[in-house]
Amino acid sequence: DTGVSQDPRHKITKRGQNVTFRCDPISEHNRLYWYRQTLGQGPEFLTYFQNEAQLEKSRLLSDRFSAERPKGSFSTLEIQRTEQGDSAMYLCASSFTYRVGKVSYNEQFFGPGTRLTVL
Amino acid sequence: GESVGLHLPTLSVQEGDNSIINCAYSNSASDYFIWYKQESGKGPQFIIDIRSNMDKRQGQRVTVLLNKTVKHLSLQIAATQPGDSAVYFCAELMNTGFQKLVFGTGTRLLSVQ
Repeated sequence: DTGVSQDPRHKITKRGQNVTFRCDPISEHNRLYWYRQTLGQGPEFLTYFQNEAQLEKSRLLSDRFSAERPKGSFSTLEIQRTEQGDSAMYLCASSFTYRVGKVSYNEQFFGPGTRLTVL
Repeated sequence: GESVGLHLPTLSVQEGDNSIINCAYSNSASDYFIWYKQESGKGPQFIIDIRSNMDKRQGQRVTVLLNKTVKHLSLQIAATQPGDSAVYFCAELMNTGFQKLVFGTGTRLLSVQ
């Protein structure tokens, strides 16, 4: 257990429905990331937050996807009008970025993921 | 039909033998690399990292080697155990305005008796 939790762990939905996932990062971590992972592939970056600010979004994140981190703590990822191609594992990670001299450290700790199946 | 992506490279190793998992990375400007282990149904778990100013770093039973000339990373696991069976990913931290982790293709390690 890394200390990052995600809810739900599994979600089955019908095409066209909206779904929302939640991530609770390690409490002192200022950065939070969302990734998507399909079977047999490595995680692909979707978006990231520094505190409550969403600073980067991948081109993978279509306009049907929205992520929030309202108080700089937990985050939600919503997918509207789900499609079968959205079926994947959605992973959340958190990190605390710090510097020692010129070197920055940013180890990301991953949650267990939410497996989405769109029928 | 089946996706090519489902056919992960698989390494079968006798229990007690050493394992070597290889990875090629893409960006010569990346300066930080991480190996992750992912067990079925779980998120990736940090194993070991290395910075580009190093060639080798050792942990407990694991060693990472970095060859910047050919953009190659390897993970060596000593005395492979059944609990080491998992999918292993290398990741590079790209500085593209912010630090973005890019994962390579995974390798499935099977420890067999």
